[in-house]
Amino acid sequence: NAGVTQTPKFQVLKTGQSMTLQCAQDMNHNSMYWYRQDPGMGLRLIYYSASEGTTDKGEVPNGYNVSRLNKREFSLRLESAAPSQTSVYFCASSVRTSGVQDTQYFGPGTRLLVL
Amino acid sequence: LAKTTQPISMDSYEGQEVNITCSHNNIATNDYITWYQQFPSQGPRFIIQGYKTKVTNEVASLFIPADRKSSTLSLPRVSLSDTAVYYCLVGFDSARQLTFGSGTQLTVLP
Repeated sequence: NAGVTQTPKFQVLKTGQSMTLQCAQDMNHNSMYWYRQDPGMGLRLIYYSASEGTTDKGEVPNGYNVSRLNKREFSLRLESAAPSQTSVYFCASSVRTSGVQDTQYFGPGTRLLVL
Repeated sequence: LAKTTQPISMDSYEGQEVNITCSHNNIATNDYITWYQQFPSQGPRFIIQGYKTKVTNEVASLFIPADRKSSTLSLPRVSLSDTAVYYCLVGFDSARQLTFGSGTQLTVLP
C-alpha cells in the first residue's frame, strides 16, 4: 500500500516550458487535491477534485490546469511555466468529501524550479 | 470562514509537555478542528481531530473549551523528533476552508 505517490520528485524548467505533475493514490479515496508551498509558508490549495470526473478551483488556480483521469490519478499541468511557480507541490487525498473534517493523506511532494 | 491564529514559533526542551493554542473566534456550529504536523521536506501528516471537550490518541491530546473559540494541542514529553511545523485547520465540508496558514514552528532543544 504505497499511499499517495508523486512524480517527478524534482524538476527544473525554463520559463515558458510546460509540464505535468502526476499524482496517484491506492487507497480508493474519492477526493484529491493539489497544493503549493512556498518557502516559509503554509500550503495553498490550487485545485481539488471531490470525485472522479469533477474538479474545482482552490485559492490559487491561475496558471494551472488539472485532470482527474480516474479515481486513482489526479494530474496538475503548467502550460507555460513562470518563475513565480517555483515551489513545492503536494498532492493529497481523502476518503469522502473535500473538507477539513476528512483526514488528508499527503504525498512526498514535487520540487519545481522555474528559471 | 473561520480564521485561525497560532503562535509563529515555540521552543521547548526534551521531555517537556508542549501546548500549542489556536484561536478561532468565528468557528461555525458544524466545524471540526484538525491538526497536522509537517517535517521538513515532507507533506503534512494528520495528528488529531476534535469537535468539543477533549480528544486523546497515541500521539497527542486536543483540548477544546465549551465555547470552542480556541483549541490547544498538547504533546506530552516531546523529543527532538517532534521538531516540526504544526497547523491548525477549522472547517467542515468546504474545500475553501482548507487553509494551512503559516503554522507554528516547534523546536525541541536537547
